[in-house]
Amino acid sequence: GAGVSQTPSNKVTEKGKYVELRCDPISGHTALYWYRQSLGQGPEFLIYFQGTGAADDSGLPNDRFFAVRPEGSVSTLKIQRTERGDSAVYLCASSLRRGGRNNEQFFGPGTRLTVL
Amino acid sequence: RKEVEQDPGPFNVPEGATVAFNCTYSNSASQSFFWYRQDCRKEPKLLMSVYSSGNEDGRFTAQLNRASQYISLLIRDSKLSDSATYLCAVNPYNQGGKLIFGQGTELSVKP
Repeated sequence: GAGVSQTPSNKVTEKGKYVELRCDPISGHTALYWYRQSLGQGPEFLIYFQGTGAADDSGLPNDRFFAVRPEGSVSTLKIQRTERGDSAVYLCASSLRRGGRNNEQFFGPGTRLTVL
Repeated sequence: RKEVEQDPGPFNVPEGATVAFNCTYSNSASQSFFWYRQDCRKEPKLLMSVYSSGNEDGRFTAQLNRASQYISLLIRDSKLSDSATYLCAVNPYNQGGKLIFGQGTELSVKP
């Protein structure tokens, strides 16, 4: 079946601009996660959704970052007033449900964000 | 101290060698553990979940040592195609489903 998909695959923007990154999880997966990964580092947790609600947004670095999942499927990560330090690969993952053995998370190909 | 730590390597091994990676975690109440493989400029791909009893999948064996708070990955009979970065991930107790990743260990298998 189809895996996690993310669009765009690459996004180049200028400092101060607004960007939206989209994630389409595996069908039937109720939990959705956003991570970001900088070069040479492991993915860093940002936020996760169980259904439509953000169950844990403790990883969002500041209030310029916001994410939604209005219908419990597709999610959008929104970054306002982008800064050069936001440049990274933004990864989305989904799992059948959160926690326990069914927490195996499957990642999408990521969106490579470059802020000039 | 980082919550999840790995030796970044690189580990350079000849084809056919056996290689092992460890990953330590600081939260003793962590409840689930995973190994991911990541190729250059690709997303992490789930390699194995790590169960308390240990588990094996072909040439790959994962172990959990709760007393010493580490997980390990053993690769036997290394292939050129095993060259990648191996990430360990830990799900902390009572923090929903989020995963805390290590930095990753780079493996390079040479002919």
